[in-house]
Amino acid sequence: AQSVTQPDIHITVSEGASLELRCNYSYGATPYLFWYVQSPGQGLQLLLKYFSGDTLVQGIKGFEAEFKRSQSSFNLRKPSVHWSDAAEYFCAVINTGGFKTIFGAGTRLFVKA
Amino acid sequence: EAGVTQFPSHSVIEKGQTVTLRCDPISGHDNLYWYRRVMGKEIKFLLHFVKESKQDESGMPNNRFLAERTGGTYSTLKVQPAELEDSGVYFCASSQLAGGLGYEQYFGPGTRLTVT
Repeated sequence: AQSVTQPDIHITVSEGASLELRCNYSYGATPYLFWYVQSPGQGLQLLLKYFSGDTLVQGIKGFEAEFKRSQSSFNLRKPSVHWSDAAEYFCAVINTGGFKTIFGAGTRLFVKA
Repeated sequence: EAGVTQFPSHSVIEKGQTVTLRCDPISGHDNLYWYRRVMGKEIKFLLHFVKESKQDESGMPNNRFLAERTGGTYSTLKVQPAELEDSGVYFCASSQLAGGLGYEQYFGPGTRLTVT
């Protein structure tokens, strides 16, 4: 069965520091991968997606993610974190032959001044 | 363009009562999905509509949950009777029907359901 693992439940970074959120997936074929963000009181917002092609994908708000098939990973990065990035981040994959999104447990990001 | 909307934003009910959640997808989106996040757990898929037809309802927890999408527009999710373990945030999402665009789902703000 497909699964998504986000090993870090929460992460704290200083404002201006770089960020990397980890995501590993278990999937038999080429996955469709996503990162979503949920700010307090808000819904899920799509940050970026990978379907095929260039393995480094750019998203909104200065985020990027790199698909590494050999490591079954799709880590999210940002070079300089802003206080407004404090939120919960979800890695997700679409299952084979369907549209069911499978989510990781989420990583809550705290940003300190 | 309006996004996915959900109503109500919060609902507090007693165990045994009935609650109906509503989702209005983005206009023109034939795919509609329901997901749920129970406290401390990951977001889980409940079901998927294509227009008015249920395409996949493998995630529905039990027969106390009933989802409908009459006319292929808005959808309702009824929980009857509600149990304590039904508490959580219920998300609705929609996507276009065609090709790769169908995989890009737009989520609503969610309905927070509390069963006491």
